[in-house]
Order: sequence, then C-alpha cells, then structure tokens
Amino acid sequence: DAGVIQSPRHEVTEMGQEVTLRCKPISGHNSLFWYRQTMMRGLELLIYFNNNVPIDDSGMPEDRFSAKMPNASFSTLKIQPSEPRDSAVYFCASGRDRGREQYFGPGTRLTVT
Amino acid sequence: SQKIEQNSEALNIQEGKTATLTCNYTNYSPAYLQWYRQDPGRGPVFLLLIRENEKEKRKERLKVTFDTTLKQSLFHITASQPADSATYLCALDSGSNDYKLSFGAGTTVTVRA
Repeated sequence: DAGVIQSPRHEVTEMGQEVTLRCKPISGHNSLFWYRQTMMRGLELLIYFNNNVPIDDSGMPEDRFSAKMPNASFSTLKIQPSEPRDSAVYFCASGRDRGREQYFGPGTRLTVT
Repeated sequence: SQKIEQNSEALNIQEGKTATLTCNYTNYSPAYLQWYRQDPGRGPVFLLLIRENEKEKRKERLKVTFDTTLKQSLFHITASQPADSATYLCALDSGSNDYKLSFGAGTTVTVRA
C-alpha cells in the first residue's frame, strides 16, 4: 500500500505569497493530522481532522493558516500571506480509529525568503 | 502546563551495546505512550506503543517501559547496530477519542561501528 503522500516536497517562496501544501492520507484511514517541525519548537500539531471534519485547530498559529479536507483522500494546508517565520518542515499524518499510531508522510520543506 | 523531556544530549554508543533513552513528563496523565523513529529528511515512523497498565513492551531488539508513578518511559535498543542511528521521539497519547499526540524533542542516537 502507498503511504501518506505529500506535495510538494520542497517549496521556496517569497514573503507575502500564498503557499498550499497537499496531503493524501492512507486509504481507509479516517484521521488526518498536520504537524510543523522546527529545530526550536520540535514537532507541533497544527490541526487534525476525523472523518473529514476539523476536530481541533488550536495549534494553528494564526489566521494566516487554514486547512481543509474536502474528502477522505485529500487535504490542504494553506498559508496566506507567508512569512519567513513559517519556514519549517510540514508533515501530514494519518491514522485509524482502531489504532493509536500515526503514519507520517515524507514532509514538505518550506522556505519563505 | 504539560511538559515532555527527552535526553537533552545526543547519545553516542558503540555497536553491540545497549542504548537507553529517557522520556519524562509532567502535568499529564497519558493513557498510552508511543515511540517513533525519525531519519534525516524523513517523517517519523511508529515503533512501539505501551499502555498505562503495561510495565514493559518488547519488539525484536527494542524494549519500552512505562512507569506512571515516576512519569517516565525508558526506551532500550539492545545489541545496537549502526543502522539504528536516528532520532527517537516519544509521544504522549491521552487515550481519548481525539487521537492527539504530544511529542518530545527527540534524542539523536549515533551507533559507532
């Protein structure tokens, strides 16, 4: 089975631009998580969905960040406008209700100049 | 507030020896504790989950203990190999229906041949 798929793998953009990160969870998984990882703050949960519904977005840093999950096989994380402090690796992970473990994608390395 | 601490320094060990990693937490009562492995440039990979009522869990050369009184988990890699070199993350799991994980900063293990 294919794992969690994320695109793009690398994104370099200028401050003020809109950035959209994409994620395809593992088929059959009904929970989806967006994380951000930096050296300073480690791995932080931004938002998670269960059955396509946002359950907890308390980790979203500010209104510039938004996430959607229009169907069970696709989710996006959007940053508008982007700022240099948003530079990080963004991971998407999925999981099943019957299991506690999460399966991570390869991540998107975002650099905002 | 909730706090998770892993070995603050990187761990360097000789091949064949046992690596022991520590995960301490405060202001939290996790129902489960999970351990993940992360290689450079990749997403975390699930290794083991231990429940609060379990004292020890094993998987091949890996062993995890969980002491809810001490609020501590120990992660052991026995007969270590250079291929075990990676960063290991502990994650607290409340066990509730929200499936959220709170990750520690990780401990980087380097196994010398």
